[in-house]
Amino acid sequence: AQTVTQSQPEMSVQEAETVTLSCTYDTSESDYYLFWYKQPPSRQMILVIRQEAYKQQNATENRFSVNFQKAAKSFSLKISDSQLGDAAMYFCAYRVDTNKLIFGTGTLLAVQP
Amino acid sequence: ETGVTQTPRHLVMGMTNKKSLKCEQHLGHNAMYWYKQSAKKPLELMFVYNFKEQTENNSVPSRFSPECPNSSHLFLHLHTLQPEDSALYLCASSQEGGRRGNTQYFGPGTRLTVL
Repeated sequence: AQTVTQSQPEMSVQEAETVTLSCTYDTSESDYYLFWYKQPPSRQMILVIRQEAYKQQNATENRFSVNFQKAAKSFSLKISDSQLGDAAMYFCAYRVDTNKLIFGTGTLLAVQP
Repeated sequence: ETGVTQTPRHLVMGMTNKKSLKCEQHLGHNAMYWYKQSAKKPLELMFVYNFKEQTENNSVPSRFSPECPNSSHLFLHLHTLQPEDSALYLCASSQEGGRRGNTQYFGPGTRLTVL
């Protein structure tokens, strides 16, 4: 069965510093997609970044980048120059079959001023 | 945050009540989803609709009844719920077809409390 594991329930980072959130997944497929979603307190879940497994290049979106290690089934999210608005719950997700997203349990990120 | 809307945002109901959650997407998507988000648990996919047809029912109890009258609207009818059904219910939509990387866009959720 496909699973997604986020081993860090909570993380903390100083404003302007860099933080890395970890995610591992289990799959037997070779072609799939991975996502990081952000859910601020009492606000909507939004997509941060996504990675296509057949692309070797790591995805980047402004201050957000991933370290995708396909052989290790690892998909970590790096947030550079952390800002107060980055404080949120971050979910890693894996897309299986045609529509199904499998989510991890999330990492709660606190940003200290 | 107007792409996917959900009403009501908060709902308190007794175990014998009947209520409905509503979701509307303004993105022109052809697939809609219901998820359940409970504390310290991964999001659980409940139902998937593609082109108004239900294509996934993830072993959800019959006290939850979905309805998708068209590609823009999705309802979740609630009946005889249990306190353990208290959770945040999220609606999402996506444009399906072709490769599997289509992003799902989420609504703000309905916070449901069952007394």
